[in-house]
Amino acid sequence: GQQLNQSPQSMFIQEGEDVSMNCTSSSIFNTWLWYKQDPGEGPVLLIALYKAGELTSNGRLTAQFGITRKDSFLNISASIPSDVGIYFCAGLFLTGTASKLTFGTGTRLQVTL
Amino acid sequence: KAGVTQTPRYLIKTRGQQVTLSCSPISGHRSVSWYQQTPGQGLQFLFEYFSETQRNKGNFPGRFSGRQFSNSRSEMNVSTLELGDSALYLCASSTLAGGYEQYFGPGTRLTVT
Repeated sequence: GQQLNQSPQSMFIQEGEDVSMNCTSSSIFNTWLWYKQDPGEGPVLLIALYKAGELTSNGRLTAQFGITRKDSFLNISASIPSDVGIYFCAGLFLTGTASKLTFGTGTRLQVTL
Repeated sequence: KAGVTQTPRYLIKTRGQQVTLSCSPISGHRSVSWYQQTPGQGLQFLFEYFSETQRNKGNFPGRFSGRQFSNSRSEMNVSTLELGDSALYLCASSTLAGGYEQYFGPGTRLTVT
């Protein structure tokens, strides 16, 4: 099945550092979503983006919907240990009343003290 | 407001058997989507239901089926289980068909032996 290209695949950072990850697609999307998944749990929605060029923040998280509608990035500022997990981007394309999320390959984030 | 619930959380089945998984969406949400998550393929879309009708379907064989009830609860069924069906099965609910923001349950971990 299709997956979006997400990078980096994994990263180790120190507590307090900023983190940046991005997601690219060959297709355009109406909506970009960013999720975080902890082991054994379902993904939790972090940020939703609805318009090309939109920049949205949620606490220490900032995400942008690319102008081309084919990419998005997520920044985490001043990382803390609980930021550890796998981050997924997801693109949503609506066709009438039907939709499906296409997910990125994930970025595994590990934070060291 | 209670989140998305999935039952059972864990399941072990034998090759050739069939299995039924259940999902209760967030109250007021009428759209339920199902996803399969495996280490190799990541998160893959199975199907979406809205008002008891399948609105969209991913690229999975006919052994994978689902339905939605009038109270928006949904079930998915996998018949003639194969080893490769071992995965975390996630359901997500949203308010509308093609809902922009999908909220995930904790998943059902299916192991096929």
